[in-house]
Amino acid sequence: SQQGEEDPQALSIQEGENATMNCSYKTSINNLQWYRQNSGRGLVHLILIRSNEREKHSGRLRVTLDTSKKSSSLLITASRAADTASYFCATADFGNEKLTFGTGTRLTIIP
Amino acid sequence: EPEVTQTPSHQVTQMGQEVILRCVPISNHLYFYWYRQILGQKVEFLVSFYNNEISEKSEIFDDQFSVERPDGSNFTLKIRSTKLEDSAMYFCASSPSGGTNEKLFFGSGTQLSVL
Repeated sequence: SQQGEEDPQALSIQEGENATMNCSYKTSINNLQWYRQNSGRGLVHLILIRSNEREKHSGRLRVTLDTSKKSSSLLITASRAADTASYFCATADFGNEKLTFGTGTRLTIIP
Repeated sequence: EPEVTQTPSHQVTQMGQEVILRCVPISNHLYFYWYRQILGQKVEFLVSFYNNEISEKSEIFDDQFSVERPDGSNFTLKIRSTKLEDSAMYFCASSPSGGTNEKLFFGSGTQLSVL
């Protein structure tokens, strides 16, 4: 798989349910970030987790990082219609200045 | 909250023409970036800029591309002779002081269509 691949590619759930998205990567990373993109708009930063952290929370978001498996998950609890968007993970490697984005998960919340 | 602003939101150009995409990063930020997203594909890194010079660039960022910070507030991406495959959404981003050790703030993008 390529650096930063999310699964599933698309996810539809009922409002109020929890949504889980996964990301896998290949390199040794400095940190991993999650971004949201509403249709046709820019990327909005959600949360950053560093390589020495295992779990992080921000409001209804929970991110985990397993560096041994080179994977991360994003959990959105109690989903709302406004959460409908594409979600991307992005990895930052040591020693360079770029983020490598994944393929994204398109999340649809059904009211 | 401070925002990264990009102009224009849409740009249509003929193949072979030069285009300049403009960005105003957040005022106290030190790191600046351009990314692009071809329709239906991943967001791809183009270039990073720090201390008035390119700090890193990707293979995509060939001699047809250049960046400039002409006046301390604007950050521009120039494509010298556009190709059909340059059609994409171009995003500018900035970060305060830690580069990719911190979150990036993205603009809303410029949709470039090369005909």
